[in-house]
Amino acid sequence: DAKTTQPPSMDCAEGRAANLPCNHSTISGNEYVYWYRQIHSQGPQYIIHGLKNNETNEMASLIITEDRKSSTLILPHATLRDTAVYYCIVRGPNFGNEKLTFGTGTRLTIIP
Amino acid sequence: EAQVTQNPRYLITVTGKKLTVTCSQNMNHEYMSWYRQDPGLGLRQIYYSMNVEVTDKGDVPEGYKVSRKEKRNFPLILESPSPNQTSLYFCASSLTGENQPQHFGDGTRLSIL
Repeated sequence: DAKTTQPPSMDCAEGRAANLPCNHSTISGNEYVYWYRQIHSQGPQYIIHGLKNNETNEMASLIITEDRKSSTLILPHATLRDTAVYYCIVRGPNFGNEKLTFGTGTRLTIIP
Repeated sequence: EAQVTQNPRYLITVTGKKLTVTCSQNMNHEYMSWYRQDPGLGLRQIYYSMNVEVTDKGDVPEGYKVSRKEKRNFPLILESPSPNQTSLYFCASSLTGENQPQHFGDGTRLSIL
């Protein structure tokens, strides 16, 4: 699975959009980009994933650049409950061990 | 409600006293896995199971056992716990196949004295 690079920390004002970047320059053609978050020692929570098209669900939007070397997770109206560590993970189709490899992530702090 | 349930949530015990952490999911998922999380080391996989009666080692299996007698349950067994197994443990499950998101339990914090 390709390596990802994320900023270690970010702040965002409550009510604003939080934009979390992720670089994955070695991503290969069949690898997906996943985002999970972990709120203070709770279990990681799946947010969204995508291959090459932009994706949106009830939690967030995922924007993947045309060359697929980077992506941005967007939380459109951040609330205090969005304060968490956000992990960007790249992995290919896997019909064996579904292991997730978490990096160090981005610690997002929502400021009141 | 779809969920992964771990018990206990917290446990303080002593070296050598066998313990079991239970994990149960109600989503009919084939795949289940155990991770441990330690400061500075991230989440590391201990064991996983692709389906009933099928288990395999992850990255850090030493000192742990698992079983998968039923699809919904995947207990983690520490036969002779040691202080280096003090950690935060997570169980996860998913459907198998391409690009299935994983669901995690709320975690079990174990302290081995």
